[in-house]
Amino acid sequence: QKEVEQNSGPLSVPEGAIASLNCTYSDRVSQSFFWYRQYSGKSPELIMSIYSNGDKEDGRFTAQLNKASQYVSLLIRDSQPSDSATYLCAVTYGNNRLAFGKGNQVVVIP
Amino acid sequence: DVKVTQSSRYLVKRTGEKVFLECVQDMDHENMFWYRQDPGLGLRLIYFSYDVKMKEKGDIPEGYSVSREKKERFSLILESASTNQTSMYLCASSSPGRNGANVLTFGAGSRLTVL
Repeated sequence: QKEVEQNSGPLSVPEGAIASLNCTYSDRVSQSFFWYRQYSGKSPELIMSIYSNGDKEDGRFTAQLNKASQYVSLLIRDSQPSDSATYLCAVTYGNNRLAFGKGNQVVVIP
Repeated sequence: DVKVTQSSRYLVKRTGEKVFLECVQDMDHENMFWYRQDPGLGLRLIYFSYDVKMKEKGDIPEGYSVSREKKERFSLILESASTNQTSMYLCASSSPGRNGANVLTFGAGSRLTVL
């Protein structure tokens, strides 16, 4: 199984601040990268996908990819209480398989 | 929107019982997946299928089998349930995205407790 690491512990951010999440992966040939959000008791839902080096912005979310360093990050600007969730990094490998990191919990404090 | 429906939200079974978890998707997706999610271990792939009657082992297939007789339905089978199979089971389906990657849509999950 390919490794996807999300090492940060729970992240608490004040409302309106920026939340920054990082993810590293082991398979150099991975081409597709995703961030899923999972609310407590719910299933994961896709929020961002990124395929090329650089930044991709979608509303308050920005994904950043650096294939040379094998990391992908997610920034959440103007954090809202509704952003409180666990964020899962996912990376493709092999025959269109997706490997997931263990997730980072984000708590936005009003 | 793609809808992935898992037949049972909560199940309680006894050790040694045969367990069927059913999953149906309504968007004609070729690919379907079964994951289990455990605290501290994240999401782990059990089996996936990229066509009717086709299946491929994921990272933790031991103790599980699958069946895909129709395109819209993918079943996970625990031949003889054990307590270490107590978990949240998530079904997903996908169509190929960019670079042939799978963009997954998940069902609501089936929480299985084996006593």
